[in-house]
Amino acid sequence: NAGVMQNPRHLVRRRGQEARLRCSPMKGHSHVYWYRQLPEEGLKFMVYLQKENIIDESGMPKERFSAEFPKEGPSILRIQQVVRGDSAAYFCASSPRTTGLYEQYFGPGTRLTVT
Amino acid sequence: SQQGEEDPQALSIQEGENATMNCSYKTSINNLQWYRQNSGRGLVHLILIRSNEREKHSGRLRVTLDTSKKSSSLLITASRAADTASYFCAAGGVQGAQKLVFGQGTRLTINP
Repeated sequence: NAGVMQNPRHLVRRRGQEARLRCSPMKGHSHVYWYRQLPEEGLKFMVYLQKENIIDESGMPKERFSAEFPKEGPSILRIQQVVRGDSAAYFCASSPRTTGLYEQYFGPGTRLTVT
Repeated sequence: SQQGEEDPQALSIQEGENATMNCSYKTSINNLQWYRQNSGRGLVHLILIRSNEREKHSGRLRVTLDTSKKSSSLLITASRAADTASYFCAAGGVQGAQKLVFGQGTRLTINP
């Protein structure tokens, strides 16, 4: 059973470009979470999605950031008009059912560098 | 406010010694989880302790939870060089939400 897949592993964007990060959850998992990690810091929750639904986006910046988890295909975290402060590692996690009760399984992360 | 704050921020010990890391949180939780992160890599789940449990063991890991003090500790016994990593606690089910709230982490270095 493959783990959580994220791609690309490394992404370099110039200021003002768009960044698109992909996450394929573990097989059978219908809950996806996105977290951001700045250097030397812990992970900060961004958004929680189920198929075709955003359940909790309380950690998402109000502008430029969006996420989706379509019926078919991976979850996408999109950052428009990137700025240097968006440089971070973005981790996706999945769980088979309602978390808070169960562990989340993390992907290897996408390291975004904005130049 | 930040949940799951950890102490110490960095810990360096000799191989074979025990390592203890502490975590505090601020509001009610459903469970407390510990994760390990090797440099530049993703997170690996270590152990989950539910709010109605006080202690849990997994191999060389021992986790305690004191809900009255809103604190948890992770003990790694007989440490090995391969245990060198950052360790994060994460509060689950904070105020009924599904997200995990992570601490800043403890950077553990095991010296051979």
